[in-house]
Amino acid sequence: AQSVTQLGSHVSVSEGALVLLRCNYSSSVPPYLFWYVQYPNQGLQLLLKYTSAATLVKGINGFEAEFKKSETSFHLTKPSAHMSDAAEYFCAVSSYNQGGKLIFGQGTELSVKP
Amino acid sequence: NAGVTQTPKFRILKIGQSMTLQCTQDMNHNYMYWYRQDPGMGLKLIYYSVGAGITDKGEVPNGYNVSRSTTEDFPLRLELAAPSQTSVYFCASSYLGDSSTPAYEQYFGPGTRLTVT
Repeated sequence: AQSVTQLGSHVSVSEGALVLLRCNYSSSVPPYLFWYVQYPNQGLQLLLKYTSAATLVKGINGFEAEFKKSETSFHLTKPSAHMSDAAEYFCAVSSYNQGGKLIFGQGTELSVKP
Repeated sequence: NAGVTQTPKFRILKIGQSMTLQCTQDMNHNYMYWYRQDPGMGLKLIYYSVGAGITDKGEVPNGYNVSRSTTEDFPLRLELAAPSQTSVYFCASSYLGDSSTPAYEQYFGPGTRLTVT
């Protein structure tokens, strides 16, 4: 079975500081990995995805994530936080044999202080 | 393209009432999904569909029913609403092609916030 663990339900950074949101996954087959962002009272929007091509994946709004198989991790980073980055972030895993189903982590709420 | 649309945006139900949450997508996606989101719990899959006429249970299907008569629509039915069904419900869709061009990312609607009292 697949699973996702996001370390830290809440992360707070100062504007301009590095953003690091952690995601570890468990999968017995090669995974597909995703990061989604949810702004208040909205649906989820895809930030980036890993589907077995380049291990460093660049997404929208300056975010990127690196797939590390040896660490079973897919951490999300952004060099410089902006106030508009405040939102909830979800990591999700799937694979070729899951029929498109995603398994989501519990979410990490990012706060950005001025 | 409107993408994935959901109605209503908000609804309050009394215990024992029933209702249907509507979901429509205009992207000609073959797969559709229903999730519920509870605070601190992430999203849990309720039901999904791989095409018109084909549906299957997800992780938390009890108390819900679905149907898929067309590619575009995937309504979620709540029978005998209970307080435990108070949640935010999201519909999503995706296109799964052949194994050489997997998509797998899901496109989400704006959600329906349901309160059962």
